[in-house]
Amino acid sequence: GQNIDQPTEMTATEGAIVQINCTYQTSGFNGLFWYQQHAGEAPTFLSYNVLDGLEEKGRFSSFLSRSKGYSYLLLKELQMKDSASYLCAVFSGGYNKLIFGAGTRLAVHP
Amino acid sequence: DVKVTQSSRYLVKRTGEKVFLECVQDMDHENMFWYRQDPGLGLRLIYFSYDVKMKEKGDIPEGYSVSREKKERFSLILESASTNQTSMYLCASSSSEDTEAFFGQGTRLTVV
Repeated sequence: GQNIDQPTEMTATEGAIVQINCTYQTSGFNGLFWYQQHAGEAPTFLSYNVLDGLEEKGRFSSFLSRSKGYSYLLLKELQMKDSASYLCAVFSGGYNKLIFGAGTRLAVHP
Repeated sequence: DVKVTQSSRYLVKRTGEKVFLECVQDMDHENMFWYRQDPGLGLRLIYFSYDVKMKEKGDIPEGYSVSREKKERFSLILESASTNQTSMYLCASSSSEDTEAFFGQGTRLTVV
């Protein structure tokens, strides 16, 4: 089977650090993606991990552990504009099937 | 600039109508996807296609069909629209399994 789990909602303070977790169970695995989606807009790509470890990209970092079926997105120096939903996604099984978790809605407050 | 274009931003249809949602990408991508997004449920995969004329069911294909006659165009068809198909529909495309997907702006469909 296939399953991707994320927390539904998180809140954090401007300037702080927040970690959004994602666990997955899929048949076949070709890497994990993180997307950001602001309300009323389409998702946009943030990061891709295929090997274990941490990938850093400015204020955003993403971590993957393939053996644990676990990833997290780390957002540093939070800004109000980071208030959005964060979606993790994997290609599952054969034939390039891209599936998403339900998303984590992050609210950043002053 | 890469682009995925959906034919309509907002659509209102009557119950029982046949509805066509069109998606065009200009990046020569192999893979194309149709999702619906509902509050609390995230993006759920309806159908996807990895090549021209090839299609595979996603997780919620019931009540939908698709067509991919040309590489750049992927159409979602609601054979007989029902009120429970009121949703935001998102199309996406990608070149392979290790590259990101690009999304269209979405079509908000209301079935009355």
